Amino acid sequence: AQKVTQAQTEISVVEKEDVTLDCVYETRDTTYYLFWYKQPPSGELVFLIRRNSFDEQNEISGRYSWNFQKSTSSFNFTITASQVVDSAVYFCALTQAGTASKLTFGTGTRLQVTL
Amino acid sequence: GAGVSQTPSNKVTEKGKYVELRCDPISGHTALYWYRQSLGQGPEFLIYFQGTGAADDSGLPNDRFFAVRPEGSVSTLKIQRTERGDSAVYLCASSPRGGSYNEQFFGPGTRLTVL
Repeated sequence: AQKVTQAQTEISVVEKEDVTLDCVYETRDTTYYLFWYKQPPSGELVFLIRRNSFDEQNEISGRYSWNFQKSTSSFNFTITASQVVDSAVYFCALTQAGTASKLTFGTGTRLQVTL
Repeated sequence: GAGVSQTPSNKVTEKGKYVELRCDPISGHTALYWYRQSLGQGPEFLIYFQGTGAADDSGLPNDRFFAVRPEGSVSTLKIQRTERGDSAVYLCASSPRGGSYNEQFFGPGTRLTVL
């Protein structure tokens, strides 16, 4: 069985602070994919990034960066210099490789960025 | 281009009634998914279509839930004898093709309230 744990239920930061959202996953598969999605107040989930289990290279995209560590089964997400528009619920998700493409989501972390 | 659309955006019904929720995927996307999101939780997988056929319906909670995609485009999720526990946001997603690697594009959801 697959499981994704996002222990942080809610985080509040002041604009321009850096913030890291934690994600820990469990799977018995050797090949799998990890995702981060953002759910703003409008409700529509927005894809942010995908990572496969063989690629542990960290990634930076603008103010966003991701740290994938297979040894600790973690796929953490950092926002640098946070902005009010970053306020949303962020979900980490996992799929196993192959044709079974259903996403297993964590419970999400609500990020509140204030002025 | 147009994204995934779902109708209605809100549905209020009484316990025991039958409801249908509609999803219009992005044109040309062969894979279509239904998820259910309860308050404060991450989306939970219900069913996955590849073309017209249900490739994975392991997430449907019981036989009151049924989904179709007769022409490989629009899909309808049908819930019989609704119960208060069915209240949730029902999300639809589509993908250019099936498979775990592919990004899923989500619609805005239908909020179902069973009184």
